[in-house]
Amino acid sequence: KAGVTQTPRYLIKTRGQQVTLSCSPISGHRSVSWYQQTPGQGLQFLFEYFSETQRNKGNFPGRFSGRQFSNSRSEMNVSTLELGDSALYLCASSVGLATNEKLFFGSGTQLSVL
Amino acid sequence: DAKTTQPPSMDCAEGRAANLPCNHSTISGNEYVYWYRQIHSQGPQYIIHGLKNNETNEMASLIITEDRKSSTLILPHATLRDTAVYYCIVRVDSGYSTLTFGKGTMLLVSP
Repeated sequence: KAGVTQTPRYLIKTRGQQVTLSCSPISGHRSVSWYQQTPGQGLQFLFEYFSETQRNKGNFPGRFSGRQFSNSRSEMNVSTLELGDSALYLCASSVGLATNEKLFFGSGTQLSVL
Repeated sequence: DAKTTQPPSMDCAEGRAANLPCNHSTISGNEYVYWYRQIHSQGPQYIIHGLKNNETNEMASLIITEDRKSSTLILPHATLRDTAVYYCIVRVDSGYSTLTFGKGTMLLVSP
């Protein structure tokens, strides 16, 4: 069974641009969540989707948005990029939302904003 | 979510057991303890989780105290590839799949 796939693996953008990251969950998984990891703040929750609906959102500005498609694939978008948006962006998927369900993470997209 | 406390770093000799502690004194009855690890610049890897009973899988064992206020992750025969940051997470039954990561424990396995 293929794992969580994130594309692209690396991305370089300049300030003011926008970026779209993609996440393909494990087959059969309907929940997808996104995390940002930086050296200073660690792993921080961005948002979570289940059956195309955003279920939960972290404390990030509106420049960060996402969506989930009917096949459970998800994208996140960051508009008007800032230097501080440089980070590893991680996607995780699970079958559902039960507390005892495991989340599986992708390898992440390393975004550098110049 | 209940907060967890982990030592910032630990050392272990290759081939020996690595015992990683986690304190979660404010845990509630329906909250699970999860362990993940992250090797540099990769996504976190699921290791094990439990509610009350001790758990074992092919990667590790999880020992939860009877009062559930602390737990220990045991890697029975640590290898150099086990060098990673280990995160202990308490997950509340909130209807969300959100995980709240702390700073974790950096485990260094040496030859």
